[in-house]
Order: sequence, then C-alpha cells, then structure tokens
Amino acid sequence: KAGVTQTPRYLIKTRGQQVTLSCSPISGHRSVSWYQQTPGQGLQFLFEYFSETQRNKGNFPGRFSGRQFSNSRSEMNVSTLELGDSALYLCASSLQGARYEQYFGPGTRLTVT
Amino acid sequence: KNEVEQSPQNLTAQEGEFITINCSYSVGISALHWLQQHPGGGIVSLFMLSSGKKKHGRLIATINIQEKHSSLHITASHPRDSAVYICAVYLSGETSGSRLTFGEGTQLTVNP
Repeated sequence: KAGVTQTPRYLIKTRGQQVTLSCSPISGHRSVSWYQQTPGQGLQFLFEYFSETQRNKGNFPGRFSGRQFSNSRSEMNVSTLELGDSALYLCASSLQGARYEQYFGPGTRLTVT
Repeated sequence: KNEVEQSPQNLTAQEGEFITINCSYSVGISALHWLQQHPGGGIVSLFMLSSGKKKHGRLIATINIQEKHSSLHITASHPRDSAVYICAVYLSGETSGSRLTFGEGTQLTVNP
C-alpha cells in the first residue's frame, strides 16, 4: 500500500497570505489528523477528521481550518499567515482514529517571511 | 507543568549499550504512543500501549497505568537507532476534547 503523502513538501509564503496543505491518507484509512511541529513548542495537535467530520480540534486560532473529502483526502488551510506559523506540518492517517496506531506523512515545511 | 514529561532530553550511548527513555504523564489517558523521528522530519509509530508490555525486535515498551509512567528500552543499540524518540498520550476529555499530547522528545545518539 502507498504511504501517507503530503503536498507540497516545501512552501515559502509571506505574512498575510493564506496557504492550503494537502494530505492523502493510506487507502482505507478514514481518520486524518494534523499536527504542527516547531522548535519552541514541539508537536501540537491541530485537528482530527473522521469520515468527513471534524472529530476534535486543538487549541489553535480560527485562522487554522481544515476539511476532509469523501475519499478521505484532507486539506488544512491557514489564513492571514504570521511569522510564527513557520513550522513543519504533519498529517497522520489511521483506520480508527488518533487513539490507535497512526501512519505519518513526510510533512510540509512552511516558511513565512 | 507539561502534561507529558520525558527524560532524559539528550542521551549519548556507545553501540551495544542498553538504553532506557522514560515518560511520565499527569492525567488519565486511554493510550500511550512511542514515536521515532529521524532527521528530515519523518515520524514512525513504534508502539501503542494501553497496558502491560510490548516488544518488537530490539525495542521494548512498558507502561504502568497506576504510576502514570512508561519506558522505552532499546537493547544492543546501534548507530541507526540515532533519532528523536517522542512519547505521546491520548487524552479523552469531555471539555478539552480527545487529542494526542506530546512530550518534548529525547534526542538519542549512538556512537559506533
């Protein structure tokens, strides 16, 4: 089976712009979770989608949003980018949800200038 | 205080040594994960535990629910084990929502 894929792998944006990141889960996985990793804060949970419904959301401002499509592919969007949004954004897919074994994608490295 | 504390933060070992990384958490959890992250960012799930002990090759993970503590052991360490090891706990809460919460990670370097 193909692994979790994320596009793009690298992205440079300027403050105030918006960005959309994409995640394709392993075939058959209905749960997709998103995480942000920064040197200062480490890994933090953004949100989890299961069968097109947002099941849980982390403590991030409303500028961070996401969605999941009927084929389980997921996108996350960050509007009005700030310098502090520079991070590695990781998605992970799972058969049953984030409580269970997850398979991580390679991540998207976002740099905001 | 972080909900998940890992120790040590950094660990250097010689090839062949037995390694232990510890994880303590302060809240009730329904599951605990050990993850491995190599330079470049890729994360691999090593174990998911809700009780007892699991073994995979040279890796062993244990959890003590009463003491809110888990350990990851690596036997006969090898330079390819050099990576960051991250403990993550799955919190189930009605008010805070269910989510994975991560420790800060342990940077392991195994020298030949």
